[in-house]
Amino acid sequence: EAGVAQSPRYKIIEKRQSVAFWCNPISGHATLYWYQQILGQGPKLLIQFQNNGVVDDSQLPKDRFSAERLKGVDSTLKIQPAKLEDSAVYLCASRARSGMNTEAFFGQGTRLTVV
Amino acid sequence: QKEVEQNSGPLSVPEGAIASLNCTYSDRGSQSFFWYRQYSGKSPELIMFIYSNGDKEDGRFTAQLNKASQYVSLLIRDSQPSDSATYLCAVNIDAGNMLTFGGGTRLMVKP
Repeated sequence: EAGVAQSPRYKIIEKRQSVAFWCNPISGHATLYWYQQILGQGPKLLIQFQNNGVVDDSQLPKDRFSAERLKGVDSTLKIQPAKLEDSAVYLCASRARSGMNTEAFFGQGTRLTVV
Repeated sequence: QKEVEQNSGPLSVPEGAIASLNCTYSDRGSQSFFWYRQYSGKSPELIMFIYSNGDKEDGRFTAQLNKASQYVSLLIRDSQPSDSATYLCAVNIDAGNMLTFGGGTRLMVKP
């Protein structure tokens, strides 16, 4: 079974530039999460999708971050404009619909450095 | 804000000892609890999950859940240097599958 795919693996941009991250979840997984993990901290949930609908985006800085999951499969997370404090690893995870006792699988993440 | 709290550590134990990692959560409606391991520079990977009060064992790992005290722990028996990593506690808050992580505890197992 293919895992969660993310790209790019690394990205360096200047502040005020824009950047986009892509995630392809495990086939058939209805739930998709985007997390931000700052060095030395735990993953912070930015947005959760169920199929192509948003379940929770309460911690997404909507003035600069946006995310979409068209057709309930791939997802894109965008930052525009980026700030220095956005430097972090952005993790995508997916989970089957079948219930809360199922494992969330993580992609390799995208390490963003804003200079 | 529903919170999941962990001691950041580092927790240092000698090889062969039992490592005890703890996690508390604020939402009494939380229903299932996950322990993930994260090696430096890598993504989290699931060790085990628990949803009923009591103990659940899987090899050298035992998860313990006490919903009345809002407390979940992970015991690692016969700790090995390869167990050195950050351990993340995650809580499934509701039926909507919202998964909230704690800050993680860094474990160091010394040979």
